[in-house]
Amino acid sequence: TQLLEQSPQFLSIQEGENLTVYCNSSSVFSSLQWYRQEPGEGPVLLVTVVTGGEVKKLKRLTFQFGDARKDSSLHITAAQPGDTGLYLCAGMNYGGSQGNLIFGKGTKLSVKP
Amino acid sequence: GAGVSQTPSNKVTEKGKYVELRCDPISGHTALYWYRQSLGQGPEFLIYFQGTGAADDSGLPNDRFFAVRPEGSVSTLKIQRTERGDSAVYLCASGLMNTGELFFGEGSRLTVL
Repeated sequence: TQLLEQSPQFLSIQEGENLTVYCNSSSVFSSLQWYRQEPGEGPVLLVTVVTGGEVKKLKRLTFQFGDARKDSSLHITAAQPGDTGLYLCAGMNYGGSQGNLIFGKGTKLSVKP
Repeated sequence: GAGVSQTPSNKVTEKGKYVELRCDPISGHTALYWYRQSLGQGPEFLIYFQGTGAADDSGLPNDRFFAVRPEGSVSTLKIQRTERGDSAVYLCASGLMNTGELFFGEGSRLTVL
């Protein structure tokens, strides 16, 4: 069974601070996605990374896919209260059905003003 | 509507009852997914449809769970003889095969008393 472990599980920081959350697995994934979920809503896709070593930037968010395609990180610069939410990573099974997108348990981020 | 629509948004039922949850995907999306999310957990894959057929139902926990998508659009997740452990938020997502991007609904919160 493929598992994605996210760390830290909870993170509470002040506005303006930087942070990094991690997504690790012992399995190789053909692609990895990051989602953000707010209470009472479904997850919203932030980015998809496909190539080992790939780095993608989305405003203050920087996503990196590990060279071996087993891990990923999300770095947020100058966090704002609007960044508060549950950040989920999800890996697509290598060579498998597109439907089997495996999610980690998420990192719950709270940014205080 | 423009997004994925799920009904009901909340369902409270008694142990042993039958429940149906409906998902109306984004128009034109051929792929449809069902996930289950328990408190503090990431979404857990249940089943994936490509068109009318279930391409991967390996996530359905047991034979009390069944899902259909008869015309390749709306899908219904059916749960027989509900148990308290079935309580969770059931998320539906739709997407296009060539993009790998999933669009989630807000979920149906099921509570089994």
